[in-house]
Amino acid sequence: KNEVEQSPQNLTAQEGEFITINCSYSVGISALHWLQQHPGGGIVSLFMLSSGKKKHGRLIATINIQEKHSSLHITASHPRDSAVYICAVKRRIQGAQKLVFGQGTRLTINP
Amino acid sequence: SQTIHQWPATLVQPVGSPLSLECTVEGTSNPNLYWYRQAAGRGLQLLFYSVGIGQISSEVPQNLSASRPQDRQFILSSKKLLLSDSGFYLCAWSTGTGFYEQYFGPGTRLTVT
Repeated sequence: KNEVEQSPQNLTAQEGEFITINCSYSVGISALHWLQQHPGGGIVSLFMLSSGKKKHGRLIATINIQEKHSSLHITASHPRDSAVYICAVKRRIQGAQKLVFGQGTRLTINP
Repeated sequence: SQTIHQWPATLVQPVGSPLSLECTVEGTSNPNLYWYRQAAGRGLQLLFYSVGIGQISSEVPQNLSASRPQDRQFILSSKKLLLSDSGFYLCAWSTGTGFYEQYFGPGTRLTVT
């Protein structure tokens, strides 16, 4: 079992729909990242959080440390939101802080 | 502002040929630097990280190596490429290894034929 599990693996929705992507992890972490990877491959960091909730525009990220779970929400989704969304947790491995990545969720928003 | 560059953007190399991918960061000093690989259909995997010039830590056994000849330059190399080295290689930097964000470069898509 992977340390970081995302669901769903693929998600297709219509423009305007509310989107939720989930991330569960099985180890203690110091922070959790949500990343966005565009079709060309470039990766952008969306959020880094260790507790509670963060909001940026139409994007909202929440984390529940006790339940080892985080969600990424997109309100009023748009075709330009189509991308792969990756959850990554930061944890201490052999004395150093390192990122462990989920497999990603491929999101397609149809107009 | 800080920027991170990678080149080349795409590369097609035959099996057994050497490899050199370069990553440079501008606008910051003494960054932590990382090389990741994303194989087709798989998640990102940390290959190497560096906390300073000449300091390289390897995460997985492989035929790749990394070097940091200057503070803001990180190079990924191989003497002889394998088919399994194909993938998308990403360089990233952060200001620390604790609660710090990592910023990713544009990536290099490597196809070994």
